[in-house]
Amino acid sequence: SQKIEQNSEALNIQEGKTATLTCNYTNYSPAYLQWYRQDPGRGPVFLLLIRENEKEKRKERLKVTFDTTLKQSLFHITASQPADSATYLCALDNTGGFKTIFGAGTRLFVKA
Amino acid sequence: NAGVTQTPKFQVLKTGQSMTLQCAQDMNHEYMSWYRQDPGMGLRLIHYSVGAGITDQGEVPNGYNVSRSTTEDFPLRLLSAAPSQTSVYFCASSYGETGRNGYTFGSGTRLTVV
Repeated sequence: SQKIEQNSEALNIQEGKTATLTCNYTNYSPAYLQWYRQDPGRGPVFLLLIRENEKEKRKERLKVTFDTTLKQSLFHITASQPADSATYLCALDNTGGFKTIFGAGTRLFVKA
Repeated sequence: NAGVTQTPKFQVLKTGQSMTLQCAQDMNHEYMSWYRQDPGMGLRLIHYSVGAGITDQGEVPNGYNVSRSTTEDFPLRLLSAAPSQTSVYFCASSYGETGRNGYTFGSGTRLTVV
């Protein structure tokens, strides 16, 4: 069955460092991969989308890579700040599909 | 611009009771969906709609009904609440092909069934 895996262990880093989160998937050939941020008690907020024919996407301090051979996406936050502390979810979609599947998320803590 | 509005924010039900979770969006998005989120699990799709009058089942539809009479509203009905339906429910909307544009989520409804 289709599966998305994100590191269930929280990631703790020091302010100013680069945070790198991993999203692995199996039994799926996504056309699009999305990353969301979720704060406690709130709904997910869309951050970035990358297509299967794109290797890398950037938005301000965020960078996403997408390796369809490894079936993996990496999500980087450079110059991290305590305000970046949240849970980050990855999600996959097929072309023309309406059934996006989500990972369980990785909790990020940035210490000042 | 309110985005996606969900009501209520919190609800406690007794086993066997029914209720409707409300979801409204003001962005004229064709696509709307309901997800539930449980600890340690990803968001799981319950039902979705690609436009007014059109609905379809997601991954975990049992025990839930939906309808889409207008573009703006997409209510989720729990027919006979069970403790297994204790969860946080999120409504989401998108325009065009969902994978291309990302979702706008509501703030969620935290439901407890006792």
